[in-house]
Amino acid sequence: ILNVEQSPQSLHVQEGDSTNFTCSFPSSNFYALHWYRWETAKSPEALFVMTLNGDEKKKGRISATLNTKEGYSYLYIKGSQPEDSATYLCAPFYNQGGKLIFGQGTELSVKP
Amino acid sequence: SAVISQKPSRDICQRGTSLTIQCQVDSQVTMMFWYRQQPGQSLTLIATANQGSEATYESGFVIDKFPISRPNLTFSTLTVSNMSPEDSSIYLCSVGEGAYEQYFGPGTRLTVT
Repeated sequence: ILNVEQSPQSLHVQEGDSTNFTCSFPSSNFYALHWYRWETAKSPEALFVMTLNGDEKKKGRISATLNTKEGYSYLYIKGSQPEDSATYLCAPFYNQGGKLIFGQGTELSVKP
Repeated sequence: SAVISQKPSRDICQRGTSLTIQCQVDSQVTMMFWYRQQPGQSLTLIATANQGSEATYESGFVIDKFPISRPNLTFSTLTVSNMSPEDSSIYLCSVGEGAYEQYFGPGTRLTVT
């Protein structure tokens, strides 16, 4: 059974704070890593898909890095805003099985 | 990208009844997926539904409990049968091809009393 761990489980920050979350996953047979942003009552929104060791991707104030050798990814949010409040999910895709395996998510709450 | 809608968006059901959730996609897709998220748990894949063949279920999920239909390339249904409170979850429909793209519907929030 593949175990994907995200930390912290929840995070409460003030507007303007920068935050980061961690996703740890088994690196064997790894193919790609997905990050999603999920707001209540909405569809999970794809943020990034990363495949290469050392990959860095950026979308506005959000960025992510990937280490495939040790099996982890970091998601950073610079200058958090209340609209960033959501659950952030990571999901590695493995060659074996051909499916996404999701972590439990990090629930971010940004107070104005 | 794909736009996915689900019906119903939420429901409260009694123990022992069944609920059918519909998933509609705005384009033709080969593979559709059904996920469940129980409270405090990860999103977990229930089954993969390909048009023209029987759904493939993940370990721990069976067809009698979660029958799936896939009548065409834009539509699928998932039925949660003989419900118990443990079936209270968010059920998500998803479409995708390969490792790089997967899109999700807004989910169906089910509460079983």
